[in-house]
Amino acid sequence: DTEVTQTPKHLVMGMTNKKSLKCEQHMGHRAMYWYKQKAKKPPELMFVYSYEKLSINESVPSRFSPECPNSSLLNLHLHALQPEDSALYLCASSHPKTSGRVNEQFFGPGTRLTVL
Amino acid sequence: AQKVTQAQTEISVVEKEDVTLDCVYETRDTTYYLFWYKQPPSGELVFLIRRNSFDEQNEISGRYSWNFQKSTSSFNFTITASQVVDSAVYFCALRNTGGFKTIFGAGTRLFVKA
Repeated sequence: DTEVTQTPKHLVMGMTNKKSLKCEQHMGHRAMYWYKQKAKKPPELMFVYSYEKLSINESVPSRFSPECPNSSLLNLHLHALQPEDSALYLCASSHPKTSGRVNEQFFGPGTRLTVL
Repeated sequence: AQKVTQAQTEISVVEKEDVTLDCVYETRDTTYYLFWYKQPPSGELVFLIRRNSFDEQNEISGRYSWNFQKSTSSFNFTITASQVVDSAVYFCALRNTGGFKTIFGAGTRLFVKA
């Protein structure tokens, strides 16, 4: 299984809603990532988890809250978002840098988020 | 600082033409990886190739080929006999071998017309 899955594919939410994005992989990868991608821009790294611990937070606003409940799952909890947070949210996974294995990232299909 | 430059914003070709996507990178690291990803309209980033900084051999995979030249810090990607299904945004990316952060170029949007 060389797939990263993400749910939902599309999400529309109001600024007062609370929602969650989910990501799952079964490749045995112990590093997982959240990226945000605006239209016609490259992906921007938000968070990195390595061995289920938060390794990198790229100064992301607290209205985005990541969670890694186990080695296969990664969530992104959303609360009080702004319209400018509308974007494609991509999850990725890889072997962690300390594993000694090459760590190219495999990406999921993304969740297209619209904040009204 | 690390940086990836894809100077071509958009390229339009007719099917069966060859097309080369340029990528120039900057890094102070002595060991690093270079990547190409394809992003079709569906949104998923599809991994195409990884290159180690110490391996300058060019690579061919079907209609795809990559030319890595360390002397000019370039990692160009050529599609031979392009097809409509090649229409996508292509990202070149860089990461040091010990890091998590992948630095993406701005992307090149390729249109292949029938």
